[in-house]
Order: sequence, then C-alpha cells, then structure tokens
Amino acid sequence: KNEVEQSPQNLTAQEGEFITINCSYSVGISALHWLQQHPGGGIVSLFMLSSGKKKHGRLIATINIQEKHSSLHITASHPRDSAVYICAVISGSARQLTFGSGTQLTVLP
Amino acid sequence: DVKVTQSSRYLVKRTGEKVFLECVQDMDHENMFWYRQDPGLGLRLIYFSYDVKMKEKGDIPEGYSVSREKKERFSLILESASTNQTSMYLCASSFGGGFYPYGYTFGSGTRLTVV
Repeated sequence: KNEVEQSPQNLTAQEGEFITINCSYSVGISALHWLQQHPGGGIVSLFMLSSGKKKHGRLIATINIQEKHSSLHITASHPRDSAVYICAVISGSARQLTFGSGTQLTVLP
Repeated sequence: DVKVTQSSRYLVKRTGEKVFLECVQDMDHENMFWYRQDPGLGLRLIYFSYDVKMKEKGDIPEGYSVSREKKERFSLILESASTNQTSMYLCASSFGGGFYPYGYTFGSGTRLTVV
C-alpha cells in the first residue's frame, strides 16, 4: 500500500468552480508539501504545512495531523490552474519526500 | 529569485553512452536530490546528498551514480545509458535537516531519451 494516497487521480472542472484535492498518508510526518507541475515538467512548491491552514491567493491548503489528511482547495478555478498537483510528505528524521501519485486537474473555459 | 538549474531541458543519447546530468542551486542548500518521473510510477528517488562528498542511495539507484564535489552542484551519471533510462529527471534541493527540513525547490527537469 502506498504511504501517500491522493484523490481523485483525474479531475475536470469548469472555470469558476471550487476544487478540492485530497491527500491521505499512513505514516507520522514532520511536514507535508503541495506541489504543482505544469506540462513541460518543472515542479513548483505551493505550500509546506505542518499544522493548520495556509492561504496564498486562490489556493488554500489544510492539514489534520490527527486524521493524517490534507486538502488543497482552489477557489474560482481558471484554465491556467490546469496542472498536476502532487502531495508529498516528509516523515520522521528523513529529509527526502515521499510522493503521492498526483492529481491531473483540467479546468475548462 | 532562488533557483535550481538543470543544464539541459531535452537530451537524446545513444545506448551505451556515458551521460552526465548537472544540477546547480544558488541557495546554499545542504540537501540535494535526483528523482526520475515516469507515467504511472510518479516520482522516485535515485540518489541524494546531505553534504559535500556525501551521497546516499534512494529507491532506484541501479545504473546510476552521483557526484557532489561542491555544495552547489550535484551531478547524476548514467554510466552506460540504456533505453529503460528514458525518463524525466528532476533535481531538487532543500535546506535544513532533522525534523524541520523545508524550502524544497525543484529544477525544471531534463527529459532524457536513450535511443
């Protein structure tokens, strides 16, 4: 069983919709990252969370440590939000990330 | 603007060639990582380094080696390229260790095709 599970794998939305991507993990963690990968490959770190909630523009990330669950929300989605969103965790004293399989988001105009 | 720079975006090499993928970061980060990304398999760790001249194997080190002679540069070496090493390669760096690593920064990736 994968240590980091994301859902859904694929998501298609209409412009303006509110979007939620979920991430569950099975290990104790010290931090969780939400990453964005556009076609062409480069990855951008959107958030790093160890508790609570963070907001940046239209993006909101939350984490519930007790439930081992995190969500990424996009408000007022736009076609330029189309990308793969990847959840990744850092567990224990390890410094490397363990990745979810990613969510392909397509926002239609 | 802080950066992780990978030397090539696209690379085509022949089977059996020795291939060098270079990664340079300008953030004085301690930790550097090489991943490969394949459809259906996600990102997998090849090698990582926590310090100069230090390296540790990740999940899939076979067929690869690395070099970290300077803090800012981490090279991935394919000793004898094979077609199953055709992939997207991503370099990353981060600051810190123990329980509080943060500031992961990724390069833009190198898409390697071995023919």
